[in-house]
Amino acid sequence: NAGVMQNPRHLVRRRGQEARLRCSPMKGHSHVYWYRQLPEEGLKFMVYLQKENIIDESGMPKERFSAEFPKEGPSILRIQQVVRGDSAAYFCASSGYNEQFFGPGTRLTVL
Amino acid sequence: SQQGEEDPQALSIQEGENATMNCSYKTSINNLQWYRQNSGRGLVHLILIRSNEREKHSGRLRVTLDTSKKSSSLLITASRAADTASYFCATAFLSGNTPLVFGKGTRLSVIA
Repeated sequence: NAGVMQNPRHLVRRRGQEARLRCSPMKGHSHVYWYRQLPEEGLKFMVYLQKENIIDESGMPKERFSAEFPKEGPSILRIQQVVRGDSAAYFCASSGYNEQFFGPGTRLTVL
Repeated sequence: SQQGEEDPQALSIQEGENATMNCSYKTSINNLQWYRQNSGRGLVHLILIRSNEREKHSGRLRVTLDTSKKSSSLLITASRAADTASYFCATAFLSGNTPLVFGKGTRLSVIA
C-alpha cells in the first residue's frame, strides 16, 4: 500500500511563474490537507479538501493560491505569479479518520 | 498564530540518555499528536493521545497530557543516534478529520 505521494519533490520557479504541486492520497483516503513549512518553522495549515469539495480553506492566502481535489486524479495546489516569499516546503497529508499520513513534500524555490 | 509551542527549541544529548520535550497549547483540544521529521523529509506520525487520556506508551516513547495545564510531554527513553530529528506536537480541536495545528518543533540531536 503506497503512502502519500507528492510530485515534484523539488520545484524551481522564477518570480511571476505558476507552480503546480500534486498530491496523491493513500489508497482509500478521501480527505486531503495541504500544509506549508517555512525554514526552521512548524507546519501551517492551508486547506482541507474532500473529494471535489473544499471543506476549510481558512489558512490559504486569498490571492494567487487555489486548491482542488477532483473526482479522478490527484489533489493540486496551484500558486499563481509566485513571489520569493512562497519559497517553502509544501506538505500534503491524507486521512481516513483521525491520523494524518504525510507525503515527502515539495520544496518550492522561487528565484 | 501557532497553537503549540515546544520546549526546548533544541536539545542535545548523549546516546543512551532520555530526551524529554514539552508542548503547550492555548485552547481546548480533542487530541494531541506527536510527529517526527528527519532533516528535509516528510513527517512520521508517532503517537496520538486523546483529551480524556493522561498517558500513553509506544515502544520507547511515553506521552503525557495535562489538559488542566494545556501541556504535553514526549519522553524518548534510551535514545539512539537514529532518533536525531525534529519533533512536533500537533493539536486537533475536533475528532475525526480536522486540520492540525503544529508547534515550531524541538530539534533533537543524539550524539553517539
